[in-house]
Amino acid sequence: QQPVQSPQAVILREGEDAVINCSSSKALYSVHWYRQKHGEAPVFLMILLKGGEQKGHEKISASFNEKKQQSSLYLTASQLSYSGTYFCGTLPGGGADGLTFGKGTHLIIQP
Amino acid sequence: SQTIHQWPATLVQPVGSPLSLECTVEGTSNPNLYWYRQAAGRGLQLLFYSVGIGQISSEVPQNLSASRPQDRQFILSSKKLLLSDSGFYLCAGVNYGYTFGSGTRLTVV
Repeated sequence: QQPVQSPQAVILREGEDAVINCSSSKALYSVHWYRQKHGEAPVFLMILLKGGEQKGHEKISASFNEKKQQSSLYLTASQLSYSGTYFCGTLPGGGADGLTFGKGTHLIIQP
Repeated sequence: SQTIHQWPATLVQPVGSPLSLECTVEGTSNPNLYWYRQAAGRGLQLLFYSVGIGQISSEVPQNLSASRPQDRQFILSSKKLLLSDSGFYLCAGVNYGYTFGSGTRLTVV
């Protein structure tokens, strides 16, 4: 089952904050977040495992609420380099099955 | 760290022609490997995954097949391409998160 991402697109001014949400109808073992620039491959940002943890990476952080089967990606004080499409990928179990990705959220940062 | 190599970067093929895309992995032994396809402006669709030599799991029925002849080699093939096979093909390996190759942009004409 494909996770649902929201919003589909967001336009921000440099320095503003953004939140991207990812929800699943299935119980989740882990949630991954990736960023893809136009014409390039996705790049791994972070992984959140079952346990409701929150992680941070410079000004990008994420949370995972396993009870609600939801994850959110937080981008604070956005920079021009944050522009791209953000994908969440989910795994219902800890096995080798591949990630199921959402449709993506297009983020445009304007100067 | 793990590096995924893919080639070619772009490919234009006529309908009905065969396809072979190769993915090789550097820096990890016995990796789990994945083939994804991304249609223009769309999300990533899992096509195949492999946990070892000769072991292939297919996620969707389609005109494609995959093989894992060596530990660090993952091949995506088709005997006869369809127009709907066009897309951006990405190979990925797992090393905590997924590491993607640079992809092959396939256009079937």
